[in-house]
Amino acid sequence: EVQLVESGGDLVQPGGALRLSCIASGFNFSDFTMNWVRQAPGKGLEWISSITTSSLTIYYADSVKGRFTVSRDNDKMSLYLQVNSLRGDDTAIYYCARLGGIGARRGDYWGPGTLVTVSS
Amino acid sequence: DIQMTQSPPSLSASVGDRVTFSCRASQSVSGHVSWYQQKPGRAPQLLIYAVSTLHSGVPSRFSGSGSGTEFTLTITSLQPEDVATYYCLQTYSTPFFGPGSKLEIK
Repeated sequence: EVQLVESGGDLVQPGGALRLSCIASGFNFSDFTMNWVRQAPGKGLEWISSITTSSLTIYYADSVKGRFTVSRDNDKMSLYLQVNSLRGDDTAIYYCARLGGIGARRGDYWGPGTLVTVSS
Repeated sequence: DIQMTQSPPSLSASVGDRVTFSCRASQSVSGHVSWYQQKPGRAPQLLIYAVSTLHSGVPSRFSGSGSGTEFTLTITSLQPEDVATYYCLQTYSTPFFGPGSKLEIK
């Protein structure tokens, strides 16, 4: 069974930093591009970052570029998101996702999310 | 970025109704459109991918159509458990979700 489980969310002050983690199981993690998607309270879904299988290609949404850094450790089947210079509008549930896209016959999986709250 | 817009933002319909949501891309996204259903407090779940392919386990009352920049999600006979917010997603370029359409029962 495929599982994605995020951790690391917390209450943090503006300007602070966190490292979010996502542990994968049940599939060959190194074969798939992985994503971070967030959802602010009462708002829609926002894709924020993707990292390809060998970390060769990384993308960020403009809203987080320069402040967030995605990485992965295929041996540990883990995905990470270093979030720096946090602002109030970064308050959200952060989801780790293996988006299926046009090839979703192989599946499309999301973790339950981890909550980041930015407040003084 | 290829952005996605959705309409309507919200919709109220009766059980058994046919319901349609629209999604428009800012430029052609070929067949790289998916639809997700999200219920309160839950992660999104995939309904449709590649414009019209029903994801495994999704009821056949859900269907997708469209091409180029215009896409549609249809529920042929609305059920109470379909109350949710529906999002389209393009993965032709860096992923971009539409703003969502909230579905309620009358």
